[in-house]
Amino acid sequence: GEDVEQSLFLSVREGDSSVINCTYTDSSSTYLYWYKQEPGAGLQLLTYIFSNMDMKQDQRLTVLLNKKDKHLSLRIADTQTGDSAIYFCAEQTGANNLFFGTGTRLTVIP
Amino acid sequence: NAGVMQNPRHLVRRRGQEARLRCSPMKGHSHVYWYRQLPEEGLKFMVYLQKENIIDESGMPKERFSAEFPKEGPSILRIQQVVRGDSAAYFCASSHRDRIETQYFGPGTRLLVL
Repeated sequence: GEDVEQSLFLSVREGDSSVINCTYTDSSSTYLYWYKQEPGAGLQLLTYIFSNMDMKQDQRLTVLLNKKDKHLSLRIADTQTGDSAIYFCAEQTGANNLFFGTGTRLTVIP
Repeated sequence: NAGVMQNPRHLVRRRGQEARLRCSPMKGHSHVYWYRQLPEEGLKFMVYLQKENIIDESGMPKERFSAEFPKEGPSILRIQQVVRGDSAAYFCASSHRDRIETQYFGPGTRLLVL
């Protein structure tokens, strides 16, 4: 079955880069996602990557996918206090639903 | 250009009552998904619906829970005879039939069972 793992916490200083890591088990995933959740809010789709890609860049966000190791990362350049939130990694299974990790709580220290 | 709408945002029920959660997908979206988030956990898939059809309900508890997405109106997630363990945030997402890989989430309904 699917399993998506993330570390629970990450703290960085404002202006530094943040790297949030995720490992997954379902090698048949077609898409992998990063969502952001702020307190009391829903999930905001940040970016996603097709499984045949290695990298995707979108402004301050860089997604790296190592399909061999089933490892996905999200790098946020020049991290700001507004980036403080919980970041969820998710994979799309064959049934079209999303399977989520437990989330990484990013704290940005001014 | 409204996003996914959910109501109510907060719902308090006593044990044994019924909870009805509503979701209006984004304009033009015909695919709806329901997820549940328990405190301090990630989201767990419950059910995937298209208009008038349940496509995948593999994540739905076998009893007390039901979902529908009628031809007209919002999608409804119904929980009968609620128990304290049903307390959670329930999120709806929607996608367009031509871009089903992209799910957009609503703000969620936070259900508290007393």
